[in-house]
Amino acid sequence: GQNIDQPTEMTATEGAIVQINCTYQTSGFNGLFWYQQHAGEAPTFLSYNVLDGLEEKGRFSSFLSRSKGYSYLLLKELQMKDSASYLCAVMDSNYQLIWGAGTKLIIKP
Amino acid sequence: GAVVSQHPSWVICKSGTSVKIECRSLDFQATTMFWYRQFPKQSLMLMATSNEGSKATYEQGVEKDKFLINHASLTLSTLTVTSAHPEDSSFYICSARPGAGGAYEQYFGPGTRLTVT
Repeated sequence: GQNIDQPTEMTATEGAIVQINCTYQTSGFNGLFWYQQHAGEAPTFLSYNVLDGLEEKGRFSSFLSRSKGYSYLLLKELQMKDSASYLCAVMDSNYQLIWGAGTKLIIKP
Repeated sequence: GAVVSQHPSWVICKSGTSVKIECRSLDFQATTMFWYRQFPKQSLMLMATSNEGSKATYEQGVEKDKFLINHASLTLSTLTVTSAHPEDSSFYICSARPGAGGAYEQYFGPGTRLTVT
């Protein structure tokens, strides 16, 4: 079966750094996405990795290792507005997105 | 760019009635649109995938006669919840994927909160 695993909840301090991990087992791989979703709102696109390595985009970075079936989202200089759920999704061989359950990130002052 | 709109943003209807939700890609053509449902504190659940001009592909367990999807143009898809029941109350979100030449990311609409009384 297809499976995406990520922690249910994480807590971090404003101004700090947090890493959200995602491991996956899917039938085929056509890229991995990270989305941010605030409560009561739709997800917004953060990043897309299809090759191994680190993609940096401002305060957010995303890393992929295809051989390990592993990705992480790194958030630096955390702000209160970063409190949200972060969804990991993998595009399988049929170009369908397989979604993780999401990681709720709580930022404390 | 890559803006997707949904209408209405929220709706309350009586049990047994039907509700139509529209999803529009405002500044790009979407060959593929997706409909998701999300219950409180749960992840997105894909309901169906629709390609312009063809029948939608429904996920297992989703009743196609209850959730009617029409993808009549490259910028518009509609989801009609027929004979709604209280258990259909949920957050319905559409997303759109650009056609050839675009990346594979999906752009989400703002969602429609449906409450069936």
